[in-house]
Amino acid sequence: QKEVEQNSGPLSVPEGAIASLNCTYSDRGSQSFFWYRQYSGKSPELIMFIYSNGDKEDGRFTAQLNKASQYVSLLIRDSQPSDSATYLCAVSNEKLTFGTGTRLTIIP
Amino acid sequence: DVKVTQSSRYLVKRTGEKVFLECVQDMDHENMFWYRQDPGLGLRLIYFSYDVKMKEKGDIPEGYSVSREKKERFSLILESASTNQTSMYLCASSLSPGTFYGYTFGSGTRLTVV
Repeated sequence: QKEVEQNSGPLSVPEGAIASLNCTYSDRGSQSFFWYRQYSGKSPELIMFIYSNGDKEDGRFTAQLNKASQYVSLLIRDSQPSDSATYLCAVSNEKLTFGTGTRLTIIP
Repeated sequence: DVKVTQSSRYLVKRTGEKVFLECVQDMDHENMFWYRQDPGLGLRLIYFSYDVKMKEKGDIPEGYSVSREKKERFSLILESASTNQTSMYLCASSLSPGTFYGYTFGSGTRLTVV
């Protein structure tokens, strides 16, 4: 079982809709959870982090964490073509472990 | 903003060459990391360092070594490059091991070994 699992996609979402990205992790001792966005040919860029159960909102982005179920998700509201990228979930205990990413395409 | 600078954006080397990938960060971070990223395999940790002169093996250290003589600089060394080391190499740094702040990545070096 992979330590951090994501659906590789591609996930296609119409412009203006909500994109929902999911991630599950295996280490119950994980303490911090991160979402990175990576455009093609570029390096990952941190967009959200969450430490506590529940929701955390930042602009159009909402991170959701459920430690009991060991999943973390990212919602992107009012999706824009510029949101088209690969989204990496990362989970931290002592150091970060990354999922393989979900490729998101926003369709105009 | 923290800046992590990787010296080369693209690099082409021949099999058997010794290759140095340099990474410099400007925010006095203790912790630095080297990853490689390959399609379908995601980011895999090669080596990391929590302090000057200190290094720890990551998940895939074979064929690589590192050097950290100064706090701001963390170098990845391919002693004898092989074609299976063709990859995107990403350097990252953080204020803590990553528990609270996450990592900041450099722009990456795409290495091709021919």
